[in-house]
Amino acid sequence: ETGVTQTPRHLVMGMTNKKSLKCEQHLGHNAMYWYKQSAKKPLELMFVYSLEERVENNSVPSRFSPECPNSSHLFLHLHTLQPEDSALYLCASSRVLAGGHNEQFFGPGTRLTVL
Amino acid sequence: AQKITQTQPGMFVQEKEAVTLDCTYDTSDPSYGLFWYKQPSSGEMIFLIYQGSYDQQNATEGRYSLNFQKARKSANLVISASQLGDSAMYFCAMREGGFTGGGNKLTFGTGTQLKVEL
Repeated sequence: ETGVTQTPRHLVMGMTNKKSLKCEQHLGHNAMYWYKQSAKKPLELMFVYSLEERVENNSVPSRFSPECPNSSHLFLHLHTLQPEDSALYLCASSRVLAGGHNEQFFGPGTRLTVL
Repeated sequence: AQKITQTQPGMFVQEKEAVTLDCTYDTSDPSYGLFWYKQPSSGEMIFLIYQGSYDQQNATEGRYSLNFQKARKSANLVISASQLGDSAMYFCAMREGGFTGGGNKLTFGTGTQLKVEL
């Protein structure tokens, strides 16, 4: 149990579908992150929320829409995706604390397949 | 240019032996942090060890130690007494800049697949 949960663990969707990925952290952290992990590529940071405000949008296409309703929950809303969006989507959380490592704790990921 | 370079796509080590996983980084910021994560086949990333750019000593956490050579811009992970459960993907990551209050924006390398053999 890592303290960060993600649902669903696997998702298959068509290009015209709309779906959402959910992330919940039980660690009392105040920053949350979405990453994309594609085969043979480094993890790509997509979005960062700190204190429930989006502080980073790393040139992500608008077909990915994040939502952070409170410091414990993070969503990634998906619509009209492309097959190249198939990847493992990882959520992470961390403290935001001056002088600390602020290491990120990751969830198990959602394996997304776009047909 | 790559900010984090891991040149070993795969490594094998015998059980109980030590292994070094290489990581070099590129930044002009004097303040940065280096992280190592382990990713088993189950998918979640597990934090292992951290080294700050101003830390005077190499970081150690149990069987993990970080061989930090600042002038060479390298931050190699050393795993002592390898165990079968150490078989996983290992990622080096960097945070550039000091504390901002905006969370840690990490840049990851491509990873090294470690296989521990009997």
